[in-house]
Amino acid sequence: AQSVTQPDIHITVSEGASLELRCNYSYGATPYLFWYVQSPGQGLQLLLKYFSGDTLVQGIKGFEAEFKRSQSSFNLRKPSVHWSDAAEYFCAVDSGGSNYKLTFGKGTLLTVNP
Amino acid sequence: GAGVSQSPSNKVTEKGKDVELRCDPISGHTALYWYRQSLGQGLEFLIYFQGNSAPDKSGLPSDRFSAERTGGSVSTLTIQRTQQEDSAVYLCASSPQGAADTQYFGPGTRLTVL
Repeated sequence: AQSVTQPDIHITVSEGASLELRCNYSYGATPYLFWYVQSPGQGLQLLLKYFSGDTLVQGIKGFEAEFKRSQSSFNLRKPSVHWSDAAEYFCAVDSGGSNYKLTFGKGTLLTVNP
Repeated sequence: GAGVSQSPSNKVTEKGKDVELRCDPISGHTALYWYRQSLGQGLEFLIYFQGNSAPDKSGLPSDRFSAERTGGSVSTLTIQRTQQEDSAVYLCASSPQGAADTQYFGPGTRLTVL
């Protein structure tokens, strides 16, 4: 069965600093990969997704992620964090085909210091 | 346009009571999903509806949980004889076509079982 690991439960960065959130997946083939963000009291919002093609994908709010097959990783990055980025971030896998269920990581809580 | 809506936003119930949670997907989306988000388990898939096909109920944790989708639109998740371990946020999502498609999430229903 596929699995998703987000090694960092909680990350704190200063506003304006760069950010990288880690995500590793376990799956035999190339999965479909997603990053979602959840702000307090809000539903999940899609930041970006990777299905195929260019391994560097751009998303909303200035986020990007890079798919690295050799490392089974799909890390999320942002060059300069804003206070409004404070939220919980979830990496998810959909193995595609007839297997449409999203498998989520446990999430990484991001705190942004002024 | 309107997103996925869920009602109620909060539900407090007593152990042993039945509850119904409602989801209105985005108009025109054929696929509808229910997930559960709890502190201990993270985000877990519960059930998936796609058009007129039989739903995938493989994620339902027990036979106390059931869901239906009327007319290919609104869905109701029912939990019978609620237990304290059912306390969680129940998230609904919809997608245009289903497999490997982007899922759009509602704000969730927070269920507290006393």
